[in-house]
Amino acid sequence: EVQLVESGGGLVQPGRSLRLSCAASGFTFGDYPMSWFRQAPGKGLEWVAVIRSKVYEGATEYAASVKGRFTISRDDSESIAYLQMNSLKTEDTAVYYCTRDFPQFVSLAEVWGRGTLVTVSS
Amino acid sequence: DIQMTQSPSSLSASVGDRVTITCRASQGIANYLAWYQQTPGTVPKLLIYATSTLQSGVPSRFSGSGSGTDFTLTISSLQPEDVATYYCQRFNSVPFTFGPGTKVDIK
Repeated sequence: EVQLVESGGGLVQPGRSLRLSCAASGFTFGDYPMSWFRQAPGKGLEWVAVIRSKVYEGATEYAASVKGRFTISRDDSESIAYLQMNSLKTEDTAVYYCTRDFPQFVSLAEVWGRGTLVTVSS
Repeated sequence: DIQMTQSPSSLSASVGDRVTITCRASQGIANYLAWYQQTPGTVPKLLIYATSTLQSGVPSRFSGSGSGTDFTLTISSLQPEDVATYYCQRFNSVPFTFGPGTKVDIK
């Protein structure tokens, strides 16, 4: 069974850092691009970042709202994707979802994790 | 950036009704348009991609059409399990923006 499990969310003060993890199973992790999306409480969906597969040299892209603060990475040997979040702001409060994307279309999310809640508050 | 809009923002229809949701891009996106369904308290689910290709396992009462800037999601016969918020998303270039969502419930 294809599965994505996020972890690492929690309550953090503005300006601090947090690292989210996404453990994948049930498929050849290295063959797929992986994205992070988020959804603020009661709001819509927002794409955050994507990391392509090794074939595309693991190239990354970011939403303007997080560029320079967040870093997406992957460990294909462990089948884990990460989202390092620095200089967190209150507006980063959201449920963060990890997704497996179509190989040929990054951000087209065909498998979603259950999400992990990040709350940025003093 | 290309902006995505949806209409209506919400609708209420009877079981068996035909329901249509519209998504508009501020610039042409060819057919790089997807639709997601998020039922209350659950994770988003990909319904349709490339404007009209049904994701595996999605009921055939769902269909998509359009190209360029104007797209539609149609539910041919609304079922109780279709109560959800529906989002369109463009996936042609960064940033991969979503529409604001259309909330569908049963009258």
